[in-house]
Amino acid sequence: AQKITQTQPGMFVQEKEAVTLDCTYDTSDPSYGLFWYKQPSSGEMIFLIYQGSYDQQNATEGRYSLNFQKARKSANLVISASQLGDSAMYFCAMREGNPYSSASKIIFGSGTRLSIRP
Amino acid sequence: GAVVSQHPSRVICKSGTSVKIECRSLDFQATTMFWYRQFPKQSLMLMATSNEGSKATYEQGVEKDKFLINHASLTLSTLTVTSAHPEDSSFYICSATGSPYGYTFGSGTRLTVV
Repeated sequence: AQKITQTQPGMFVQEKEAVTLDCTYDTSDPSYGLFWYKQPSSGEMIFLIYQGSYDQQNATEGRYSLNFQKARKSANLVISASQLGDSAMYFCAMREGNPYSSASKIIFGSGTRLSIRP
Repeated sequence: GAVVSQHPSRVICKSGTSVKIECRSLDFQATTMFWYRQFPKQSLMLMATSNEGSKATYEQGVEKDKFLINHASLTLSTLTVTSAHPEDSSFYICSATGSPYGYTFGSGTRLTVV
């Protein structure tokens, strides 16, 4: 069974600093995809970044990058130059199966609440 | 980008009544819809998966007779909470697949049962 673990329930970071949110996963399927979502207090789920298990390079999207270490089964999110608007819940998620198919369900980790200090 | 419209955003109902939540894909055909429930300060827990025209697949521990899911068309899926009780109060959110963008989430429904 697939499993996602986020060990940091909450983090405080000074504005403009970089922050790393940890995520480890467990799956026996060689094909999978990893996601990071941001959930502000309004509740909407905002897609941030995606990494397929066969992708050779770490994914990057603007200020977001994913530090994918396949052997260690970790997929940490790095936010560079944090902003006050980055304060939110962040969820790591995983989908098993074809990493480029969206037919499979995704499961979420427990989340990390990130708070940015001015 | 792909949009999923979820309504209502908030609903308060009396214990024992039923509540219907709608998720509508506006600019793509949602071949699969996932329904999640999120209790305060917790993660999203998958309740069920539905494909257009077929019965939903429920996750272990989710009462299929209580949470009725209908995915009658490629653009509309509904979740009905039947005979709601205060413990059903939660945030419900849908996620649709079928767009080139992968998973598209609705904006969520905050259900309060009094």
